[in-house]
Amino acid sequence: AQTVTQSQPEMSVQEAETVTLSCTYDTSESDYYLFWYKQPPSRQMILVIRQEAYKQQNATENRFSVNFQKAAKSFSLKISDSQLGDAAMYFCAYRDMRFGAGTRLTVKP
Amino acid sequence: DTAVSQTPKYLVTQMGNDKSIKCEQNLGHDTMYWYKQDSKKFLKIMFSYNNKELIINETVPNRFSPKSPDKAHLNLHINSLELGDSAVYFCASSSSGGNYGYTFGSGTRLTVV
Repeated sequence: AQTVTQSQPEMSVQEAETVTLSCTYDTSESDYYLFWYKQPPSRQMILVIRQEAYKQQNATENRFSVNFQKAAKSFSLKISDSQLGDAAMYFCAYRDMRFGAGTRLTVKP
Repeated sequence: DTAVSQTPKYLVTQMGNDKSIKCEQNLGHDTMYWYKQDSKKFLKIMFSYNNKELIINETVPNRFSPKSPDKAHLNLHINSLELGDSAVYFCASSSSGGNYGYTFGSGTRLTVV
């Protein structure tokens, strides 16, 4: 079974700064998809960004980008110009929706 | 228009009761799921239905029974509720095998007292 590991239970960033959240995964498949989800205090799960494993180019969505290292099975999320509204739990997920344990991001004004 | 809607949003009930949570999606997706999020925020898949057919049934007590009357609906019935069942339950849906991610409902916070 695929496992997804987020090694940072909590992270903190100053407003307008950049932060990177880590994620590693285990799989024997060669073709798959990876996701980052955001869960603000409202508890709604929101898809932030998606990466296709067969694409070497890292996905980007506005201030959110990923660093996808297929050989290392690493999939980190970079948030640039952090905003107060970015404060949330962030979950890394594998295609079949195995989720990591989450990273709680705090944004300091 | 709500894409994936769950009812109720909050549910407080006594131990031993039976309760149901309803879920509906209007996205035309072919697969629906139930997830449980515990107090530590850990998300675990419980069930998955594809076109009304059960395709994933993780190790959950048989007190939990999903029912899918059609591909737009997936309900969760829980018998003989226990304190440990207290959690947030999320319904979600997807198409194309989940390759484009899932759309989640807003969750149902179940509290068993």
